[in-house]
Amino acid sequence: DTAVSQTPKYLVTQMGNDKSIKCEQNLGHDTMYWYKQDSKKFLKIMFSYNNKELIINETVPNRFSPKSPDKAHLNLHINSLELGDSAVYFCASNKGGAGTEAFFGQGTRLTVV
Amino acid sequence: KQEVTQIPAALSVPEGENLVLNCSFTDSAIYNLQWFRQDPGKGLTSLLLIQSSQREQTSGRLNASLDKSSGRSTLYIAASQPGDSATYLCAVTNQFYFGTGTSLTVIP
Repeated sequence: DTAVSQTPKYLVTQMGNDKSIKCEQNLGHDTMYWYKQDSKKFLKIMFSYNNKELIINETVPNRFSPKSPDKAHLNLHINSLELGDSAVYFCASNKGGAGTEAFFGQGTRLTVV
Repeated sequence: KQEVTQIPAALSVPEGENLVLNCSFTDSAIYNLQWFRQDPGKGLTSLLLIQSSQREQTSGRLNASLDKSSGRSTLYIAASQPGDSATYLCAVTNQFYFGTGTSLTVIP
């Protein structure tokens, strides 16, 4: 049983396309996150949702739009993809927001060509 | 804004050695600190979580300490094994700000 699952695992697409990455957690957690890991392996938070409501929105281009249809899902839509968007994107979740253990998905490696 | 730093950036040790990884953070107003490991091309695996009111946590050969007032945490790995080779990351909450990571190689 995968606790936090992301699809797809790999995504190769051309510049200018629109793509989505899906994330689902079966842990009953209230809070979900999206992180971007760049080529230097640094993880930076992008968004956080608590019970389907946006609570963190770091400095991210508005081409990135998270959508949470329910508290078990947090999808990431990216419009007009650029070369610099190439990275590994991680979804994570924890219970009750800050202060509790976070669990991460396996990541989605996005390559924009 | 919270900044998290990990030193050293890379570490190579022979099998069997005990080692210490360091994590420092600038804002002591944290809820907790979590240590992760990341294997190449993989996701993050949680190792230990220390609540802000705690001083340390232990799991097997791993021991993590937290000194919130000085903004520091250490991860102690006893009797290192080749399977411990990975990148180790610390993260502090409120918002899970991550450190830059320590890449550990344990040589058989």
